[in-house]
Amino acid sequence: ETGVTQSPTHLIKTRGQQVTLRCSSQSGHNTVSWYQQALGQGPQFIFQYYREEENGRGNFPPRFSGLQFPNYSSELNVNALELDDSALYLCASSLDQSSYNEQFFGPGTRLTVL
Amino acid sequence: AQSVSQHNHHVILSEAASLELGCNYSYGGTVNLFWYVQYPGQHLQLLLKYFSGDPLVKGIKGFEAEFIKSKFSFNLRKPSVQWSDTAEYFCAVRGGGSQGNLIFGKGTKLSVKP
Repeated sequence: ETGVTQSPTHLIKTRGQQVTLRCSSQSGHNTVSWYQQALGQGPQFIFQYYREEENGRGNFPPRFSGLQFPNYSSELNVNALELDDSALYLCASSLDQSSYNEQFFGPGTRLTVL
Repeated sequence: AQSVSQHNHHVILSEAASLELGCNYSYGGTVNLFWYVQYPGQHLQLLLKYFSGDPLVKGIKGFEAEFIKSKFSFNLRKPSVQWSDTAEYFCAVRGGGSQGNLIFGKGTKLSVKP
């Protein structure tokens, strides 16, 4: 069984640019959640996708957007990058959106904005 | 708004010492509670969880946690730590309902000296 994978591992961008991060969910999982983990902080919820629809959003501006594809993989897009967007971006998948299902985390994408 | 507080930023112990990591949450309704661990260079993984029932929860690798509703606490314990327990530990809460997003604390880094 393949776990959650994310690409790329590391990324360096400059302020104002746009970035796309990718996540492949664990086999059989239809729900993907994205988190931002700034240095020295715990992960912060960005949004969740369930069966290709956004199913909840944290306190992030609209320049953070996402997609989920029919195979349940997902993308996180960030427009107009700011220095504070530098962080580890984590993707987690679960069997479905029920709060009783464990979320399995990927290794993360380290984004640096210069 | 929900929040999670972890009292210790960095804990240093010798092998065989007992461990207790504090976690307090702020939420008025039914909650699900979790402890996640991140070993150096590895993914976030679930240590244990509490949904309902016995407030003393046992997890993997000899860890346990006690839910004390009156204190809004969910402290993590281990009677005797090993060098391999060196990691960062995150407490997380999720409110009842269909949304699966987790609210994390800032984490506690545990260093175990051999």
